[in-house]
Amino acid sequence: AQSVTQLDSQVPVFEEAPVELRCNYSSSVSVYLFWYVQYPNQGLQLLLKYLSGSTLVKGINGFEAEFNKSQTSFHLRKPSVHISDTAEYFCAVSILGGGADGLTFGKGTHLIIQP
Amino acid sequence: DGGITQSPKYLFRKEGQNVTLSCEQNLNHDAMYWYRQDPGQGLRLIYYSQIVNDFQKGDIAEGYSVSREKKESFPLTVTSAQKNPTAFYLCATTGQLNYEQYFGPGTRLTVT
Repeated sequence: AQSVTQLDSQVPVFEEAPVELRCNYSSSVSVYLFWYVQYPNQGLQLLLKYLSGSTLVKGINGFEAEFNKSQTSFHLRKPSVHISDTAEYFCAVSILGGGADGLTFGKGTHLIIQP
Repeated sequence: DGGITQSPKYLFRKEGQNVTLSCEQNLNHDAMYWYRQDPGQGLRLIYYSQIVNDFQKGDIAEGYSVSREKKESFPLTVTSAQKNPTAFYLCATTGQLNYEQYFGPGTRLTVT
């Protein structure tokens, strides 16, 4: 079975500073990787995904993530954050071929942008 | 507009009552999922369905029930057997060609 670890439950950052949200996964088979964002009292929205190809993946809202197979990581980055980026961020993994029970999610990282 | 709808947005019930949460999709997706979200716990899978008239228990199915009579609909019933039903409930679907999940807006259930 696969698992996802998001090492930080909260990350405070000043506005316009860079940020990195960490995600590590564990799986015995190849995986697909995803980052989702959740604003208060809303559903999850896909930020970006890695399926194959280039290990640097660009997503919406200026976010990007890099797949590192040797370190089993998929960290999310943004060079300059805005107040509107305050939200909960979830890393998720799916095994290649698609597990019938869908994605496995990390517990989330709350990104807090300070003015 | 294609998408997933969940209703209602907020739901209040008295302890001991069953309550049904609605999830409808017009994306023509086969697979549908129900998650429960509690602060600091991430998303936990309650039930999922890969096809009409078939569904499987997830990690925390106790106290919940589902049906899948139509492709578009996957209602979740929170029964009186669920010990801590107050939570945010999310419905999701998966398309056939990729494995990302598409989420509805969620229903916040409060039981007192």
